[in-house]
Amino acid sequence: DAMVIQNPRYQVTQFGKPVTLSCSQTLNHNVMYWYQQKSSQAPKLLFHYYDKDFNNEADTPDNFQSRRPNTSFCFLDIRSPGLGDAAMYLCATSRALRFSGRSWEKLFFGSGTQLSVL
Amino acid sequence: QQPVQSPQAVILREGEDAVINCSSSKALYSVHWYRQKHGEAPVFLMILLKGGEQKGHDKISASFNEKKQQSSLYLTASQLSYSGTYFCGTGNQGAQKLVFGQGTRLTINP
Repeated sequence: DAMVIQNPRYQVTQFGKPVTLSCSQTLNHNVMYWYQQKSSQAPKLLFHYYDKDFNNEADTPDNFQSRRPNTSFCFLDIRSPGLGDAAMYLCATSRALRFSGRSWEKLFFGSGTQLSVL
Repeated sequence: QQPVQSPQAVILREGEDAVINCSSSKALYSVHWYRQKHGEAPVFLMILLKGGEQKGHDKISASFNEKKQQSSLYLTASQLSYSGTYFCGTGNQGAQKLVFGQGTRLTINP
């Protein structure tokens, strides 16, 4: 089945040690998103790719970077994780028409990666 | 800008109805509704794209009042499986991104 896959499901890293989370999709969607969700809070958009165009949210810390080498894969790099970065990281995809002006299509979410920072 | 949801939490008995509201201070061009169970990813419920649009399946429906910049989600004759946190997400014109409200936690008791 076509889907959005995130690996690993659980990730433990040490304070300050770089970590990379991965997301792949078989839906051939042109938009990919990374959301951070802390306990009992709403998913917070970090950035998204529209095709190869990278769109960073204004309040996303510089500590968070992303790469999208091709349509299917997207990575979230946390250069120096702090205790406050412990959260669930959700990858999502959608199909969007350029210049359509509206969020026409639903988001497909991966199962998420729960990041712990020790 | 993050939409505002109300109420923040609801506790119901099985079979009762609930309404969850979502409002924005900015013009709304689309409203998404998702449900998330603890430890799982959000699951899509429905999208409303036009003012005045109403949608529904099973006993869950929603409306979109574009002029008032708000949407409401209606759950009728609630079932235990409806428990979870409901998020509305709003899209802005020209931006292919979705910003979620703070969520409404719904608890259904037998």
